[in-house]
Amino acid sequence: AQKITQTQPGMFVQEKEAVTLDCTYDTSDPSYGLFWYKQPSSGEMIFLIYQGSYDQQNATEGRYSLNFQKARKSANLVISASQLGDSAMYFCAMRELSSGNTGKLIFGQGTTLQVKP
Amino acid sequence: KAGVTQTPRYLIKTRGQQVTLSCSPISGHRSVSWYQQTPGQGLQFLFEYFSETQRNKGNFPGRFSGRQFSNSRSEMNVSTLELGDSALYLCASSPDRGRAEKLFFGSGTQLSVL
Repeated sequence: AQKITQTQPGMFVQEKEAVTLDCTYDTSDPSYGLFWYKQPSSGEMIFLIYQGSYDQQNATEGRYSLNFQKARKSANLVISASQLGDSAMYFCAMRELSSGNTGKLIFGQGTTLQVKP
Repeated sequence: KAGVTQTPRYLIKTRGQQVTLSCSPISGHRSVSWYQQTPGQGLQFLFEYFSETQRNKGNFPGRFSGRQFSNSRSEMNVSTLELGDSALYLCASSPDRGRAEKLFFGSGTQLSVL
């Protein structure tokens, strides 16, 4: 069954340090995409980074990188040089691509990240 | 370019009432999806509309329904409200050009059922 697991309900990181948020997934679809979204207290979900199951290289977007280990079914988000504005809830999500429907994402339970000054 | 707009931002209803939430997608986006977010269940997919047709539906009772208009604007309706329907309802849109397309989310409608 399709599932996303985020095992860290809450994380703390010191400003300017790097932090890794864990995500494991389960799917029987050989073609899938993995997303990370950030949700600040305002509620809006902000897209951070995307990794396709057939992508050979790990995705990077500025300070965000995705550590994709396909055999382990993990897609951890790495935030480098943390900033106070990074304090938010972070969600890992998956889209199964074989269905062709783009609107359905399966989300994990989220990780609350707090950046300390 | 304006983002995804959801109205109203906050809503308070009582059990048994019905409610309609509105979502205006980003201009040019044809796919609109709805999600329910609660502390207990997290983010759950409700349904997706594309070209005025529902093309995917999550595991929610029939009290939850939606529609999409010709200008891609979408509404979702919840009838006979229950206390457990209290949640943040998020709308997302995408241009639907490819399978790797990201979703753009609105700020949500916070529904409280008393």
